[in-house]
Amino acid sequence: GAVVSQHPSWVICKSGTSVKIECRSLDFQATTMFWYRQFPKQSLMLMATSNEGSKATYEQGVEKDKFLINHASLTLSTLTVTSAHPEDSSFYICSARITGTGDHGELFFGEGSRLTVL
Amino acid sequence: GQNIDQPTEMTATEGAIVQINCTYQTSGFNGLFWYQQHAGEAPTFLSYNVLDGLEEKGRFSSFLSRSKGYSYLLLKELQMKDSASYLCAVSDSNYQLIWGAGTKLIIKP
Repeated sequence: GAVVSQHPSWVICKSGTSVKIECRSLDFQATTMFWYRQFPKQSLMLMATSNEGSKATYEQGVEKDKFLINHASLTLSTLTVTSAHPEDSSFYICSARITGTGDHGELFFGEGSRLTVL
Repeated sequence: GQNIDQPTEMTATEGAIVQINCTYQTSGFNGLFWYQQHAGEAPTFLSYNVLDGLEEKGRFSSFLSRSKGYSYLLLKELQMKDSASYLCAVSDSNYQLIWGAGTKLIIKP
């Protein structure tokens, strides 16, 4: 099946610093990628939809200036958590559909990135 | 509002059968997904139902009743590796995925 690679798998940073997480579709093109956040024992929460070549669409309550998303190519989307604080500590997961499979296409998930802000 | 309900936790015995239920109330319906998520890992796709009925895939089967807003995931011949969380997600009228909180399945020898 299709592979989505996410990097880094885990990161520890100091409060106030910025952290960049990469999401790559390794063997397919993804016009659209999705970024989720998951707190322990809770559901996946969609943060934003990343669209190649255009601005990301953010969900209500998600600060676009804090969570910067860039989708520069059909295989790469990045999420930058700016000025991270301890409350931003979470499991961040990206997913993608193969371009052309429509809205019913299977979502392929990256391995996830566990962010801990000290 | 939109809501997905599934049990928080279930326990079953190795080799047995378990059924994980999911009920939903969403604005529109464009299909229901089941994903498996092992602790600390990302979800992996299990099944997709958009029409009523049972979809079978090996040891796993998924059932959908749109009129009842109900689905279940059936796992047969349980193995220890099936211990995981099982997430139910519904695609609404905008093709937005609404996620349930997941059911943690514990398999005992």
